[in-house]
Amino acid sequence: AQKITQTQPGMFVQEKEAVTLDCTYDTSDPSYGLFWYKQPSSGEMIFLIYQGSYDQQNATEGRYSLNFQKARKSANLVISASQLGDSAMYFCATYNGNQFYFGTGTSLTVIP
Amino acid sequence: NAGVTQTPKFQVLKTGQSMTLQCAQDMNHEYMSWYRQDPGMGLRLIHYSVGAGITDQGEVPNGYNVSRSTTEDFPLRLLSAAPSQTSVYFCASSLGQSFEPQHFGDGTRLSIL
Repeated sequence: AQKITQTQPGMFVQEKEAVTLDCTYDTSDPSYGLFWYKQPSSGEMIFLIYQGSYDQQNATEGRYSLNFQKARKSANLVISASQLGDSAMYFCATYNGNQFYFGTGTSLTVIP
Repeated sequence: NAGVTQTPKFQVLKTGQSMTLQCAQDMNHEYMSWYRQDPGMGLRLIHYSVGAGITDQGEVPNGYNVSRSTTEDFPLRLLSAAPSQTSVYFCASSLGQSFEPQHFGDGTRLSIL
């Protein structure tokens, strides 16, 4: 069953601008976690940010913030002040029923 | 800190050969998992384990076996490699709670000829 949907295969953003990467999820559990990972061209998976389903406030980590809209089941990643080093694949994931489910990813390219 | 260590980093096999991808973590994590990453498909869960002696199937388990005899190690076995198993394989571990992120190994690039 598809648990995570990322509808943007590729995105472009101008350096120093903000960008939003979309993620919607599907779960019936009241308690769940949402995660974003970055995968640069070197291949490693880097954890960026986490949002819990009961968290009242949107998560923030430096230039990363998570726009969590529980009723819409969306958990969009916002990157502010984009840098060239932000060019990478970005994956949204959820933990549900002892399993992590990943979306198909969004390729972000930052243009100088 | 070693974190999650995967070996080998690269491997080429012939169809029908068997091999084991090794995964070890030194963070005392209960939860470990194996994923394969194919272009346009994201990461798909192969098998996972919530603790020593306990394993379960993920989304794409066919053609793979796992075991978890210790907390630290979680090897993935391909009994008879097929070209469809050509992929990049990631091992990951976490404390296993819904709010804990997974820590990933560097991946194994596997080609089956």
